[in-house]
Amino acid sequence: QKEVEQNSGPLSVPEGAIASLNCTYSDRGSQSFFWYRQYSGKSPELIMSIYSNGDKEDGRFTAQLNKASQYVSLLIRDSQPSDSATYLCAVTPWGGANNLFFGTGTRLTVIP
Amino acid sequence: EAQVTQNPRYLITVTGKKLTVTCSQNMNHEYMSWYRQDPGLGLRQIYYSMNVEVTDKGDVPEGYKVSRKEKRNFPLILESPSPNQTSLYFCASSTSTDTQYFGPGTRLTVL
Repeated sequence: QKEVEQNSGPLSVPEGAIASLNCTYSDRGSQSFFWYRQYSGKSPELIMSIYSNGDKEDGRFTAQLNKASQYVSLLIRDSQPSDSATYLCAVTPWGGANNLFFGTGTRLTVIP
Repeated sequence: EAQVTQNPRYLITVTGKKLTVTCSQNMNHEYMSWYRQDPGLGLRQIYYSMNVEVTDKGDVPEGYKVSRKEKRNFPLILESPSPNQTSLYFCASSTSTDTQYFGPGTRLTVL
């Protein structure tokens, strides 16, 4: 059983602050890592992917991967109320996104 | 418009009555998957398909069947639904190295 653990939250941050979302995974062979955002009643949508150790930045989002610690995080800078959603961490056991194992998600609320 | 469609979006049925949830994508993706989402359990993969006539089990395949006779379609079949299959179901498609695109979801209730 490949486990992906996330703090379910809820995580509340004021508008303009940095939101930090964390994820750990049990399968040391995992190679691809993704962050999906899911608004209430909607389907998940990919916001970040990361494949190698270090940081990857895309606009206000930064994904951080530490394979030695089996840890991946997502930072959201200048948080906006529109960022309020559930954030799902997902990993794959090999390169590619056809077989995903998801965490249970962290609910983020950005307070205006 | 690139999209994944699912039908029906909502379904209430009774135990034991066979049903099929259809999934279709217009992006010519090789890979398609089915997930179920339950509170506290997150998204769990049911089956996936790497191409036409190639399918494999995911994390929770019991009670489900799939087929991939055409590249664009990947139906999910519940031969004898039970109440523990009440869930929100998502179909997704992707290329081998790309993001998964999720359909809008099908909310199934089995009484």
